[in-house]
Amino acid sequence: EVQLVESGGGLVQPGGSLKLSCAASGFTFSGSPMHWVRQASGKGLEWVGRIRSKANNYATAYAASVKGRFTISRDDSTNTVYLQMNSLKTEDTAVYYCIRGYTSSWRHHWGQGTLVTVSS
Amino acid sequence: QSALTQPASMSGSPGQSITISCTGTTSDVGAYNYVSWYQQHPGKAPKLMIYDVINRPSGVSDRFSGSKSGNTASLTISGLQTEDEADYYCSSYTSSGTGVFGGGTKLTVL
Repeated sequence: EVQLVESGGGLVQPGGSLKLSCAASGFTFSGSPMHWVRQASGKGLEWVGRIRSKANNYATAYAASVKGRFTISRDDSTNTVYLQMNSLKTEDTAVYYCIRGYTSSWRHHWGQGTLVTVSS
Repeated sequence: QSALTQPASMSGSPGQSITISCTGTTSDVGAYNYVSWYQQHPGKAPKLMIYDVINRPSGVSDRFSGSKSGNTASLTISGLQTEDEADYYCSSYTSSGTGVFGGGTKLTVL
């Protein structure tokens, strides 16, 4: 069974940094693209970014709203994906979801999410 | 990447069928058969209902079905039930290698 457990969320001041982790199990992590999606309270879903597998050169892509501030990385030895968030803004406040993707499919498995609050 | 276009709200009575549309462009919905649909109840994580336009994950009721024509994908729910009342989101892969969501549709079962 696919399991994704996010951690690292919390309260941070505007301009600060935070690093989210997502521990994955139940599937071949090293071969899977991994995504991050966020949802502000009462708002819709927003795709944040993704990282592909080693076979695809760990290629990353980001939403325009976070490009240059957020970085996704992965450690295939520990089945963990990370979201490093810098220069945080109040509008980055949201629940952040870790998502397992598939090559050649738009099927996804979601974690339960972790809340990030950016406030002074 | 602009969000996909969904109706903000829809409603139906128990037993009826409804279809939620999701309109994109030739760079996302129209470019690939990589469209998925999610159901989200308040306070819960989104649940995958349809992937790759027409496929249902195991455990999802066959009352849910997906389709696509051109740049518009659709989710049809037949035999509406009260538990279907939720927010529904479409999602698509894009030609930039990114993902994009629709703005969401709030479904009310009257």
